[in-house]
Amino acid sequence: SYELTQSPSVSVSAGQTASITCSGDKLGNKYACWYRQRAGQSPELVMFQRDERPSGIPERFSGSSSGDTATLTISGTQPMDEADYYCQAWDSSTEVVFGGGTKLTVL
Amino acid sequence: EVQLLESGGGLVQPGESLRLSCAASGFSVSSYAMSWVRQAPGKGLEWLSSLDYSGANTYYAGSVKGRFTISRDNSKNTLSLQMNSLRAEDTAIYYCAKAGTKTTRTPLLYFDFWGQGTLVTVSA
Repeated sequence: SYELTQSPSVSVSAGQTASITCSGDKLGNKYACWYRQRAGQSPELVMFQRDERPSGIPERFSGSSSGDTATLTISGTQPMDEADYYCQAWDSSTEVVFGGGTKLTVL
Repeated sequence: EVQLLESGGGLVQPGESLRLSCAASGFSVSSYAMSWVRQAPGKGLEWLSSLDYSGANTYYAGSVKGRFTISRDNSKNTLSLQMNSLRAEDTAIYYCAKAGTKTTRTPLLYFDFWGQGTLVTVSA
């Protein structure tokens, strides 16, 4: 079965750049997407098909992928970006798969 | 405006059944793939089941295959999840999610709208 692995936590100082990674076999060949889940809220799509931003998501959010890793980068991180972030991909062996989530703390 | 509103959650005993519903507005459930995703307390997201836009194809995670059934009612624009033989480990918030694609069997899959979730608690 296909698995996606994320670091449990990432900390960043306000105004700095946060990088959240997701790893999986040949993930760079897939179209990873990312969700943000603020405390007590539903997940919200912040990046899809590797590097596409939904409307309403600021330009400081960007996505990339290569090899076995997909990365969500948040430039000029703000306190409102503090949340859990999940990557997701599709694989024929497992259908829909989510990463375990990364808790982003903004210091 | 796209909205998804889940209902039907509650407290049930192990072995019992429950039916969740998701009322969609702002789009037609027959135009996109739809899915159910759950989140156990303090845990991550787990995909459970999908229905493609045609309604002809359904997909299930191994953890619920044979126990859960996904369906939809085009006339009411609703998605449902029939859950049988519930177990303590099924305790979670259950989310209805709209795919941005017509099928979830695609590498291009993403979920662009989510409901607020409904809590299912399975306990004796």
